[in-house]
Amino acid sequence: DAGVIQSPRHEVTEMGQEVTLRCKPISGHNSLFWYRQTMMRGLELLIYFNNNVPIDDSGMPEDRFSAKMPNASFSTLKIQPSEPRDSAVYFCASSLSDQPQHFGDGTRLSIL
Amino acid sequence: GENVEQHPSTLSVQEGDSAVIKCTYSDSASNYFPWYKQELGKRPQLIIDIRSNVGEKKDQRIAVTLNKTAKHFSLHITETQPEDSAVYFCAVSNSGYSTLTFGKGTMLLVSP
Repeated sequence: DAGVIQSPRHEVTEMGQEVTLRCKPISGHNSLFWYRQTMMRGLELLIYFNNNVPIDDSGMPEDRFSAKMPNASFSTLKIQPSEPRDSAVYFCASSLSDQPQHFGDGTRLSIL
Repeated sequence: GENVEQHPSTLSVQEGDSAVIKCTYSDSASNYFPWYKQELGKRPQLIIDIRSNVGEKKDQRIAVTLNKTAKHFSLHITETQPEDSAVYFCAVSNSGYSTLTFGKGTMLLVSP
């Protein structure tokens, strides 16, 4: 079991640039979650997919954020344009319907 | 929406002592309560979980208790060891294993 795989592990970019974070869920899992973790706000759910369909995106902060899941083995979270306040660790997690969520190692994003 | 309060925010104990972390929630329909451990720079990892039809669950040195009437649940760690030092998060879901609302976390420090 390879676990949830995220890339890149670290990203440093300048304000205004587009950022794309990638996630490969555990094979066979049908739910995928994107979280953002900061010291001030803790772990926040951004968006949740079930069977590749977005179910709850109420946590997406604003239109600069978008997420896609084109197939069962891949998802992206995009920020365009990026701002310094987007700096955080972004986690992807996946689960099978009646099983707990498993987290990836995260992407540490710094926007200068 | 769901509101999860976690206390204390920091907890320092001596090796061998017990540690207790408490969480309260607001939605009486919540039915799933996991606990995650996050070491510095690592991903959150599930350590124990409990469903609403169970009042207590144990796994070696860790246990979780749930009081649905009072809407609170607690993590108990006995015979603490330095490797237990980490941030612990409680979480709550009212839709099975899908969307989780996390507490703000408790930093546990176990001194040798």
